[in-house]
Amino acid sequence: QQQVKQSPQSLIVQKGGIPIINCAYENTAFDYFPWYQQFPGKGPALLIAIRPDVSEKKEGRFTISFNKSAKQFSLHIMDSQPGDSATYFCAAPLGVNTGFQKLVFGTGTRLLVSP
Amino acid sequence: DAGITQSPRHKVTETGTPVTLRCHQTENHRYMYWYRQDPGHGLRLIHYSYGVKDTDKGEVSDGYSVSRSKTEDFLLTLESATSSQTSVYFCAISWAGDNSPLHFGNGTRLTVT
Repeated sequence: QQQVKQSPQSLIVQKGGIPIINCAYENTAFDYFPWYQQFPGKGPALLIAIRPDVSEKKEGRFTISFNKSAKQFSLHIMDSQPGDSATYFCAAPLGVNTGFQKLVFGTGTRLLVSP
Repeated sequence: DAGITQSPRHKVTETGTPVTLRCHQTENHRYMYWYRQDPGHGLRLIHYSYGVKDTDKGEVSDGYSVSRSKTEDFLLTLESATSSQTSVYFCAISWAGDNSPLHFGNGTRLTVT
């Protein structure tokens, strides 16, 4: 079963646009929500993460918005650039307080930023 | 790439043959993980290790085994490869447990014919 549902599957925006990627989760015990960025031929890399005690977190042009009541979190990329073209994954911990970093990932969103 | 080397980078094998993928890290991280990546499924955890000789199953462990005899090496074995195991396999490491970043290798593309 899919514990983290991610949408859309793919997204095309023009340079300077603000792509938004959404994730919905089921387990209300999740307490950590990272986003990973993956370029072709490379492994994913941590982009930004949020805990549910805050509603928003910004790092540079990347912002996570968190809606605890709706069990949703979103990634916004401000002033998107062609170099942001990549696949983005949301994730949440498979277990809670397990002592291990076991993540369940969304299915990914392929973003293309056109020049 | 956080000192993670996966080998081989590409492999083609036949159904029914055993296959071993290797992950080597130079970071002295305690935790190591094997994920597989498939279109429409994202990344799914196969097995993980929390120390030498300490391993456990993830979401999709059937048909896979792992071993960790040294801190730096984590091996993933497909005892008898099947076409459903055609995938891209990623090794990851983390320094601590809960909520610490995962650092991924560049993957091994495995094709089972």
